[in-house]
Amino acid sequence: DAGITQSPRYKITETGRQVTLMCHQTWSHSYMFWYRQDLGHGLRLIYYSAAADITDKGEVPDGYVVSRSKTENFPLTLESATRSQTSVYFCASKLSGNTIYFGEGSWLTVV
Amino acid sequence: ELKVEQNPLFLSMQEGKNYTIYCNYSTTSDRLYWYRQDPGKSLESLFVLLSNGAVKQEGRLMASLDTKARLSTLHITAAVHDLSATYFCAVDRLGRDDKIIFGKGTRLHILP
Repeated sequence: DAGITQSPRYKITETGRQVTLMCHQTWSHSYMFWYRQDLGHGLRLIYYSAAADITDKGEVPDGYVVSRSKTENFPLTLESATRSQTSVYFCASKLSGNTIYFGEGSWLTVV
Repeated sequence: ELKVEQNPLFLSMQEGKNYTIYCNYSTTSDRLYWYRQDPGKSLESLFVLLSNGAVKQEGRLMASLDTKARLSTLHITAAVHDLSATYFCAVDRLGRDDKIIFGKGTRLHILP
């Protein structure tokens, strides 16, 4: 089915390890976003991308890296995971001016 | 810097009552979104408000936008238990810096 998919859905990793969360959308949406959701903070924007090869920092970018070599993919990498990065991560996409569509979320636990 | 504030953050109410959730934002915006999230689930789009004075309604929910006051409201009419969820507003600065910033959410609990 067309849509936006995230993988893995659930991940447990150790402090200091590198982790990559994948996001793939089949709509050819130009905009893609990564958010983290934590109790008491709502959704906070980590990075976003307006098009392939164009990325920019959001509200909480430290400790994360993104790339967008293809329009449909927007992976998020935690270079050296820390416990404070334990969270639920949501990828989203949209066309210019339209509603935002969210993936199902990736639950990440850093131990 | 764009800031989005929702209030209240928590709301417990009886079925059949009316209530309003408020969303204030700090800078000029091009559009405003309302989303619903059920526990353990992703976010579901409710409304997209595009211009000053916009009003949209779906069932017992009605959203409005006042761009001059930088305020959006989500009004719940005659609440039912099925509307229990967390509601988020988000502000879009398309064409400026393209960020979409969310409020912290309003956790709504409707008592049967």
